[in-house]
Amino acid sequence: GAVVSQHPSRVICKSGTSVKIECRSLDFQATTMFWYRQFPKKSLMLMATSNEGSKATYEQGVEKDKFLINHASLTLSTLTVTSAHPEDSSFYICSADPTGQGASTDTQYFGPGTRLTVL
Amino acid sequence: GENVEQHPSTLSVQEGDSAVIKCTYSDSASNYFPWYKQELGKGPQLIIDIRSNVGEKKDQRIAVTLNKTAKHFSLHITETQPEDSAVYFCAARGYSTLTFGKGTMLLVSP
Repeated sequence: GAVVSQHPSRVICKSGTSVKIECRSLDFQATTMFWYRQFPKKSLMLMATSNEGSKATYEQGVEKDKFLINHASLTLSTLTVTSAHPEDSSFYICSADPTGQGASTDTQYFGPGTRLTVL
Repeated sequence: GENVEQHPSTLSVQEGDSAVIKCTYSDSASNYFPWYKQELGKGPQLIIDIRSNVGEKKDQRIAVTLNKTAKHFSLHITETQPEDSAVYFCAARGYSTLTFGKGTMLLVSP
């Protein structure tokens, strides 16, 4: 149980285009999902907290107009990188809280990640 | 906010040896401490976690200890195998989101 999927697993796009990444909880509902960015050989950096039915909460320094998050249902959150540039190339990972409570002792399960390369 | 320090950054062991990774945290309100294993090109996989009302937890070859007074927790892997080679992240969570350590690259040589 507690499986999180991401699609696509890998995407290459041209500079200036937009890319959408999907994050799905396959066997549970999640009112809260999280989006992370990871640079090579670095730790995970939280970008935003995605809340079903409401606006996402962005971490300091993350441009909300650049990284659009939509949590349209209890099993799906999407991250859209708008007008992508080479510096947006990175490994993007989502996670979900299976209890959906967002309580402090809840476990987070991670998706397999999406490798974005912007040419 | 929370700050999590993780050591060592790299750890090389021989197959069959034990490996220990240590983390410290700063926020005394943190009460949930998971450990994740990340293989190259993949997302982090939860391998074990511990909550603040428990001092130690074991799952086969993996164990985690927590010292809330000292604000540190450790991951212990016994009888290491080459397939244990990966990057391991500790994390701490209190009232908000998970804060991760910088990771430890574990290399297990046959």
